[in-house]
Amino acid sequence: EVQVVASGGGWVRPGGSLRLSCAASGIRFSSYWMSWVRQVPGKGPEWVATVNLDGNEKFYLDSVKGRLTISRDNDRNSLYLQMDSLRVEDTGVYYCVRETGAFFDIWGQGTMVTVSS
Amino acid sequence: EIVLTQSPVSLSLSPGERATLSCRASQSVDSRLAWYQQKPGQAPRLLIHDASTRATGIPARFSGSGSGTQFTLIISSLQSEDFAVYYCQQYKNWPPWYTFGQGTKLEIK
Repeated sequence: EVQVVASGGGWVRPGGSLRLSCAASGIRFSSYWMSWVRQVPGKGPEWVATVNLDGNEKFYLDSVKGRLTISRDNDRNSLYLQMDSLRVEDTGVYYCVRETGAFFDIWGQGTMVTVSS
Repeated sequence: EIVLTQSPVSLSLSPGERATLSCRASQSVDSRLAWYQQKPGQAPRLLIHDASTRATGIPARFSGSGSGTQFTLIISSLQSEDFAVYYCQQYKNWPPWYTFGQGTKLEIK
């Protein structure tokens, strides 16, 4: 069974930090690039970051560079997003997604991040 | 940044009718375009990739076409479960800078 479960979201003040985790099963995790995509409710999705198979190549949306860090642990079938210096505009549902040929074929259920004072 | 503009913003149709959704790119993305369906409270679901290839398990009533800057998603005969929001996404850029359209909401008339 395919399962992609994101966790770690919550409420944080501007400037704060959160660490998102994603536990994957049934998707051949180590054979695929993985990404985080976020979405403000009522708006279109926004790609945030992508990591390659072994974790040594990482790509980011310009507005998150230097603040958000994507990583993976293939032994644990897990994806992470370390979120530092958070801003109000980082608010949204964060989805852990499997990337195939640069489109997103498997999405987890999402975890909500709220940055507010 | 490649901007994707979807039209119309909303579309009201009856079951059994044909839906035509459009996505225009600000510059050519070749055929590197995908379509997603999203229902309330759910994650997006991949429908079409590479402009015209249906994803696994997607019914034949969904078809995609286009290349360059103009793309179309057609749902040939709407079923009740097809009323949702539809997004296009381009993946032309390297290094990756993927962008999505703002969506078309397909509503029951």
